[in-house]
Amino acid sequence: AQKVTQAQTEISVVEKEDVTLDCVYETRDTTYYLFWYKQPPSGELVFLIRRNSFDEQNEISGRYSWNFQKSTSSFNFTITASQVVDSAVYFCALSEEGQGGKLIFGQGTELSVKP
Amino acid sequence: DVKVTQSSRYLVKRTGEKVFLECVQDMDHENMFWYRQDPGLGLRLIYFSYDVKMKEKGDIPEGYSVSREKKERFSLILESASTNQTSMYLCASSLGQLTDTQYFGPGTRLTVL
Repeated sequence: AQKVTQAQTEISVVEKEDVTLDCVYETRDTTYYLFWYKQPPSGELVFLIRRNSFDEQNEISGRYSWNFQKSTSSFNFTITASQVVDSAVYFCALSEEGQGGKLIFGQGTELSVKP
Repeated sequence: DVKVTQSSRYLVKRTGEKVFLECVQDMDHENMFWYRQDPGLGLRLIYFSYDVKMKEKGDIPEGYSVSREKKERFSLILESASTNQTSMYLCASSLGQLTDTQYFGPGTRLTVL
């Protein structure tokens, strides 16, 4: 069965520290998609990235980077030089072609960045 | 930019009332989704629609219905609201394939008294 696990429930860091949010997934499909979303206190889920299962290249976008490793079924998210505005709940999600594209969310990691 | 809007940010209703939650997207997306988010349970899919007048049940459809009469609008209906439907409701839309990126609205925090 498909599943997404974010083992870190809460993380607290001081501004300018680097922080990595872990995501481990389970799937039997060969074609699937992985996502990260950010949910700030306002409540709206903000899309950050989408990767397909055939593209294992790491991605960097400003202070954000993602490490996709099929061998360990992980899709980790790193924020470099964290800022207070990064404080939010971050969700990792999985979508499989064989399941009609339904998004399976992890439980989320609440990141608190203190000044 | 994709814009998904929801009719209310906060809503308070009484048990037994009929409740309508409205969602509108302005990017001509084919697919629309309704989720609810609860502490400890995460986000769960209630219903989705891949075309006008088409709907599919998600993981927790009981107590809900939906309507999609126009492509841009997807309504979630609570026929007779109950206290266990107090939750945050999130609407999303995606372009064409169901595996395309889903873009979310701001959410409606519904309280049923």
